[in-house]
Amino acid sequence: SAVISQKPSRDICQRGTSLTIQCQVDSQVTMMFWYRQQPGQSLTLIATANQGSEATYESGFVIDKFPISRPNLTFSTLTVSNMSPEDSSIYLCSVSGRGSLGNIQYFGAGTRLSVL
Amino acid sequence: QKEVEQNSGPLSVPEGAIASLNCTYSDRGSQSFFWYRQYSGKSPELIMSIYSNGDKEDGRFTAQLNKASQYVSLLIRDSQPSDSATYLCAGAGNMLTFGGGTRLMVKP
Repeated sequence: SAVISQKPSRDICQRGTSLTIQCQVDSQVTMMFWYRQQPGQSLTLIATANQGSEATYESGFVIDKFPISRPNLTFSTLTVSNMSPEDSSIYLCSVSGRGSLGNIQYFGAGTRLSVL
Repeated sequence: QKEVEQNSGPLSVPEGAIASLNCTYSDRGSQSFFWYRQYSGKSPELIMSIYSNGDKEDGRFTAQLNKASQYVSLLIRDSQPSDSATYLCAGAGNMLTFGGGTRLMVKP
C-alpha cells in the first residue's frame, strides 16, 4: 500500500474563509481522488485530480468552490472556498494506480473541518 | 444511476459469532469489489478485495461474490468487539462507487 500524508488533520474555520488541504504520497500514483464524508454518511466523490490538467468534478461539485491542483504524481491539494457551516465535514484524499497498488484505492487519514 | 446498496444497520452480534454483511450493486459493468472497515473518526481501511465469483478467505474474513445475482457479502468469523465498526462495500467500474455502509456492533 501507499503511505498517504494529509494535512491539516483538523481545522476550525470562520465562515467566508478558505482552507487548502494537502495530500502527499510516498510514491508516484496514477489516480488521486478527493472525497467528502458528512457526519454519519458514506463517502461522496468530489473530484478526480488529474496530473497536469483540470480536475474532473462529480455532479454537484464545481471548480470555483473546490479548486484542485495536482502538479505532479505524488501531490495534490483541495481548497474549500468561501466556507459555510454546511461545508463542515471530513475530507479524504485517496490514491490508486498500477503496479503494486493495482486499482485498489487507499485513503489518507482525512481532514476534519468545522466551519463556524 | 450506478448504485451500491447496504443495510445501514446496526447489525449486532455476540462475541464469537459470525457476522454477515451484505451488499447489492446495480452496475453489471463493475469488475471488482472491495470491503473497507471504518472506525469512528478514522479513514476507511481496505480489508478485502474480490474479483471473481465465489469465495475468498483471508484469516477470519471471507468475501463472497455472485455476479449473476449482483451480490457481494463479507463474513467475519469469531467476531470480536474490536471488529465493531462501519463496513463499506465498494464496486469498481471506472472508479469506486461506495455503499452507505453497515454499522456492526459486536457485544462482549
